[in-house]
Amino acid sequence: ELKVEQNPLFLSMQEGKNYTIYCNYSTTSDRLYWYRQDPGKSLESLFVLLSNGAVKQEGRLMASLDTKARLSTLHITAAVHDLSATYFCAVLDMRFGAGTRLTVKP
Amino acid sequence: DAGVIQSPRHEVTEMGQEVTLRCKPISGHDYLFWYRQTMMRGLELLIYFNNNVPIDDSGMPEDRFSAKMPNASFSTLKIQPSEPRDSAVYFCASSWTGMGNQPQHFGDGTRLSIL
Repeated sequence: ELKVEQNPLFLSMQEGKNYTIYCNYSTTSDRLYWYRQDPGKSLESLFVLLSNGAVKQEGRLMASLDTKARLSTLHITAAVHDLSATYFCAVLDMRFGAGTRLTVKP
Repeated sequence: DAGVIQSPRHEVTEMGQEVTLRCKPISGHDYLFWYRQTMMRGLELLIYFNNNVPIDDSGMPEDRFSAKMPNASFSTLKIQPSEPRDSAVYFCASSWTGMGNQPQHFGDGTRLSIL
């Protein structure tokens, strides 16, 4: 059974700090997706990573993919309050991780 | 450009009643997904279709749940009879595989409460 594990599940951080969210998955996948969900809202796509070593950046968020290690990371640089949300990774036929609830405090 | 459209946005009904959730995918998308989201179980894939054909329904919890996609622009998820444990937010999403691997586009969801 395919497993997608994210950690941490909860993350509280100060504005201006850096942190990394991890996504491990249990089967071979050459693509991985990151999504963001604001409270009470739907999910929106952040990144699509399509190959080993892929790196994508948008603002203060950078995502990378290591297919050999079956690991993706979402790095947050100099966090701001607007980044507070739940972040999900998903692989293959769209199996999602449990999500990481990020709270950025002033 | 209209996104994925779900209806109703909210549904409150009594246990035992039939519930039908509806979804209109983005035009041109060839994949359609149904998800259920709860605090306890997170985001669960229930079923997905490719070109209107169900590909994987292993996530459908039990026989009370059924999904159809009669054409490329419409899908339904039906629960009959409904139970309180079915209370959740149900999302529909669609995607297109024409140019590599595209992300899913999610609808706003249907918040379902079974009393």
